[in-house]
Amino acid sequence: GENVEQHPSTLSVQEGDSAVIKCTYSDSASNYFPWYKQELGKRPQLIIDIRSNVGEKKDQRIAVTLNKTAKHFSLHITETQPEDSAVYFCAAGGSGYSTLTFGKGTMLLVSP
Amino acid sequence: EPEVTQTPSHQVTQMGQEVILRCVPISNHLYFYWYRQILGQKVEFLVSFYNNEISEKSEIFDDQFSVERPDGSNFTLKIRSTKLEDSAMYFCASSEQGAENEQFFGPGTRLTVL
Repeated sequence: GENVEQHPSTLSVQEGDSAVIKCTYSDSASNYFPWYKQELGKRPQLIIDIRSNVGEKKDQRIAVTLNKTAKHFSLHITETQPEDSAVYFCAAGGSGYSTLTFGKGTMLLVSP
Repeated sequence: EPEVTQTPSHQVTQMGQEVILRCVPISNHLYFYWYRQILGQKVEFLVSFYNNEISEKSEIFDDQFSVERPDGSNFTLKIRSTKLEDSAMYFCASSEQGAENEQFFGPGTRLTVL
């Protein structure tokens, strides 16, 4: 089955800095890669996703890049703000399977 | 904006008891999922459901677990004989289509097994 590794487990940045979270996956058949943000005690919420026919996608301060050859994808947050503080999960899925396999999460702390 | 809802928000039960967790997916969605998240850990897939049957399930989803769509709106997860290690947050999710489509998560049910 699919295995998703996520790094780092915690990331502390100053407000205004950029943050990068990286994930690797094992199943070359996976073709859908969402990123979820989970605030403490809340539900995971999709912030951005990318499909395998695209190498990069951007939405305001958030971008995701995908390297299918290397089987890794990354989340980039620019101009971080304290409200970006949360746990971020990457996931991999698709290719006819409805399963999403999640990474272990990255706790992002943005200090004012 | 439509949301997935779940009840109860918190369930406390004794080991060995049966529990039923309830979910109301978004109305035009066709795919339904259950995930669990042990405190401080990652979200783990349990089962997916489409066209009134299980389409995929994980190793966690053993014979103690079952799912049902008893009517046109509810989607339930039953745990027949709860164990201490079943204590976790259980999230229901739904999506309009299957693979490669956004899954919308409910607020979760925190299950505590004593």
